[in-house]
Amino acid sequence: GDSVTQMEGPVTLSEEAFLTINCTYTATGYPSLFWYVQYPGEGLQLLLKATKADDKGSNKGFEATYRKETTSFHLEKGSVQVSDSAVYFCALSASGTSYGKLTFGQGTILTVHP
Amino acid sequence: EPEVTQTPSHQVTQMGQEVILRCVPISNHLYFYWYRQILGQKVEFLVSFYNNEISEKSEIFDDQFSVERPDGSNFTLKIRSTKLEDSAMYFCASSEGGGVNTGELFFGEGSRLTVL
Repeated sequence: GDSVTQMEGPVTLSEEAFLTINCTYTATGYPSLFWYVQYPGEGLQLLLKATKADDKGSNKGFEATYRKETTSFHLEKGSVQVSDSAVYFCALSASGTSYGKLTFGQGTILTVHP
Repeated sequence: EPEVTQTPSHQVTQMGQEVILRCVPISNHLYFYWYRQILGQKVEFLVSFYNNEISEKSEIFDDQFSVERPDGSNFTLKIRSTKLEDSAMYFCASSEGGGVNTGELFFGEGSRLTVL
């Protein structure tokens, strides 16, 4: 079946450091890919998405590129802030199914220190 | 900003008891979902709901689970006879569209269920 694997966490960085959170997936066809973020005490929020190969999703300085050849959708940010501390979830929606049925990775806890 | 709200934030119950988790989706949304996350595990899809019917459900969503939209605003998840393994964080979500037009899912903060 479909699956998403994220890099093991937690990740701890200093402010202004470069961030990469790896995400790879297994799915048939051409899934849509998402990054969701959960700030403390809040629900999951869509951070960015890409719906076809080579698309780049971006938002709030975060970027991720849909790489079909490596089945990856790594999340990057050039300079993290303390306010980016949160849990980040990579997810996919398999082609041919409701987009509301998401398959999630295990989540990566990011802590950014001043 | 509109948001999905869930109650209770935390419920503790005895094994075998019935539990109802409540959600108020965003008012103009038509598609509703429940997900759950067992501690230390992935967020898992349970069920999607549209037009007063279940659109899709996972293997987890067995006969012990049911959903309904009783009054046009609330969306509820009922677990008839809770088991220890039902202990998890349950997330409600809603979207304006469905299928290929689903767009963004908006999630609530979650309801933590602890079964003793």
